[in-house]
Amino acid sequence: GAGVSQSPSNKVTEKGKDVELRCDPISGHTALYWYRQSLGQGLEFLIYFQGNSAPDKSGLPSDRFSAERTGGSVSTLTIQRTQQEDSAVYLCASSFSSGLAVFNEQFFGPGTRLTVL
Amino acid sequence: LAKTTQPISMDSYEGQEVNITCSHNNIATNDYITWYQQFPSQGPRFIIQGYKTKVTNEVASLFIPADRKSSTLSLPRVSLSDTAVYYCLVGNGSSNTGKLIFGQGTTLQVKP
Repeated sequence: GAGVSQSPSNKVTEKGKDVELRCDPISGHTALYWYRQSLGQGLEFLIYFQGNSAPDKSGLPSDRFSAERTGGSVSTLTIQRTQQEDSAVYLCASSFSSGLAVFNEQFFGPGTRLTVL
Repeated sequence: LAKTTQPISMDSYEGQEVNITCSHNNIATNDYITWYQQFPSQGPRFIIQGYKTKVTNEVASLFIPADRKSSTLSLPRVSLSDTAVYYCLVGNGSSNTGKLIFGQGTTLQVKP
């Protein structure tokens, strides 16, 4: 596709349920990122994948959060036993590489709006 | 990662030039300065990036003084569609694995 796509665009779930959010990065991009944005706030880094390297999970807020990236392409962010404070927009981004001396431009998807009731 | 400070909000009118300044006193030698724009209900979009002096593209200009402790994003002749949140970020790919640290950003409201 032309850009980063995410699905679903909206997800409403009940507290305690598990959810899976999907990200399809731009073809050929080796780096993939997940961010979370609460209402009226800036973006919060969650996790980063670069090629076959071990992911940088330093931003995951708890062990209820996990992410996978299969085949170096599609990624799934899983939130187990959702809580109301998990409600936010979850954004995925991809870039050609993590860069060396220069920040490589990150291309963001439209996000998944998660509402936990 | 160098912390950035920018105004929370700014108002402007159509046709005016808007300058948004970002402070980054702890910027490191290898750090670049990058600005992103975010419209409501959309993901952020890259606007411009620079290391020193001045960078200009079709969207904006970025002015960086010699000490690099601040930078100014300049939007010429804004229109209503420039209403968005503008984020200033500082860092480099090799030291922080490429992840971006977003602050609150500056909410720019362009009025008719």
